[in-house]
Amino acid sequence: GAVVSQHPSRVICKSGTSVKIECRSLDFQATTMFWYRQFPKKSLMLMATSNEGSKATYEQGVEKDKFLINHASLTLSTLTVTSAHPEDSSFYICSATTDRGGQPQHFGDGTRLSIL
Amino acid sequence: GQNIDQPTEMTATEGAIVQINCTYQTSGFNGLFWYQQHAGEAPTFLSYNVLDGLEEKGRFSSFLSRSKGYSYLLLKELQMKDSASYLCAVEDSNYQLIWGAGTKLIIKP
Repeated sequence: GAVVSQHPSRVICKSGTSVKIECRSLDFQATTMFWYRQFPKKSLMLMATSNEGSKATYEQGVEKDKFLINHASLTLSTLTVTSAHPEDSSFYICSATTDRGGQPQHFGDGTRLSIL
Repeated sequence: GQNIDQPTEMTATEGAIVQINCTYQTSGFNGLFWYQQHAGEAPTFLSYNVLDGLEEKGRFSSFLSRSKGYSYLLLKELQMKDSASYLCAVEDSNYQLIWGAGTKLIIKP
């Protein structure tokens, strides 16, 4: 149980393109979803937290207009990297949890984004 | 500030036992998680401790001392596939997960 699906797994695109990444909880309802970014050999960096039906809470230093997050249902959240540039190239990972407080976050497989 | 400390890298031998330590200073405490992350992959959940003591799950065990702000992950009968990064994360009073930088574990034959 507790499977999270993330698509696409890899994206290579030109600078200026907008890229949408989907995160779905397949067998549970995710009240909260998280979006992380990870640089090589570094730990996870939380970008934003989203609850179904409400606006995402962004971490300090993360541009809201650059990284658009939508959490339209209890099983789906999307991250759109708008007008992507080479510095946005990274490993993006989503996670989902059924509740805050003692419940583990279950991670998607991640999306490797490469902007040329 | 909030802080999670764990060793950057450890090396162990196949078949042996290794203990990965984690110390934390956070605003409140709602539990401590251990995750395993293989290179290029997403983290997978290993264990959760909220009360003091040892939790055992097969070859992996996790220990917590809340008064000392300390946890460890114990891996027994090490296998080559255990080579990975191990992430310690603490849930604070706002239910925010504070992540350690991870410990890269290298297993040698």
